[in-house]
Amino acid sequence: KAGVTQTPRYLIKTRGQQVTLSCSPISGHRSVSWYQQTPGQGLQFLFEYFSETQRNKGNFPGRFSGRQFSNSRSEMNVSTLELGDSALYLCASSLVPGELFFGEGSRLTVL
Amino acid sequence: QKEVEQNSGPLSVPEGAIASLNCTYSDRGSQSFFWYRQYSGKSPELIMSIYSNGDKEDGRFTAQLNKASQYVSLLIRDSQPSDSATYLCAVNPWQAGTALIFGKGTTLSVSS
Repeated sequence: KAGVTQTPRYLIKTRGQQVTLSCSPISGHRSVSWYQQTPGQGLQFLFEYFSETQRNKGNFPGRFSGRQFSNSRSEMNVSTLELGDSALYLCASSLVPGELFFGEGSRLTVL
Repeated sequence: QKEVEQNSGPLSVPEGAIASLNCTYSDRGSQSFFWYRQYSGKSPELIMSIYSNGDKEDGRFTAQLNKASQYVSLLIRDSQPSDSATYLCAVNPWQAGTALIFGKGTTLSVSS
C-alpha cells in the first residue's frame, strides 16, 4: 500500500512569491491535515480537510490556504511568501482520529 | 488557544534505564492523546495512543493519562540507543476531526 506522497520535496522561492504544495493521501483515507515544522516552533497545525471541506484550522494568517479534491488529494498554497515561511511542510492522512500517517514533507526555503 | 507543553530536553539516559517523558495540555475537553516519535531527518510516526485515565502498556512503552491534571506521560523501559529520537506529545481537541495539536517535543538520547 503506497504511503502519503508529497510534491515537490524541495523548493526555493523568493519573498513575495507564492507556492503550491501537493499531497496524495493513502488510498481510502479521506482526511488530510497539514503541518508546518520549524526548529523554533515545532510541529504546528495548519488545517484539516475531509471530503473536500475544511474541518479545522490552526492559527495561521490568511496567506496560508488549502483545498481538497474529490479524490482526497490536497493542496496548500502560501501567498506573498515571507522569510519566516521557510519550513518543512508535512501532510498527513488518517482514517482513525489522531492516527496520522505523514508524508516525507516539502522543504520550502524563502530567500 | 489549544496548547501542548513538553520539556524540550535533551533527556539523557543510559542504555537499559527507564526514560520518562511528560506533557501537559490546555484544552480540558480533549479526549484522545498520542505519542509520536521522530528520528532526525524523518517524519513523525505514531507509537502510542491513550484515551482513558490510567496506564496503557505496549511492549517497552507505557503511556499514562490523568485528565484531571491534564497530564500525559510516556515511559520507555529498558531504553536502547535506537530509542534516541524526538518524542512528540499530541492531543486531538476537536469535536470532529482527525488532526492533532503537537507539543514541541522532547529529545531523548540513550547512551550505550
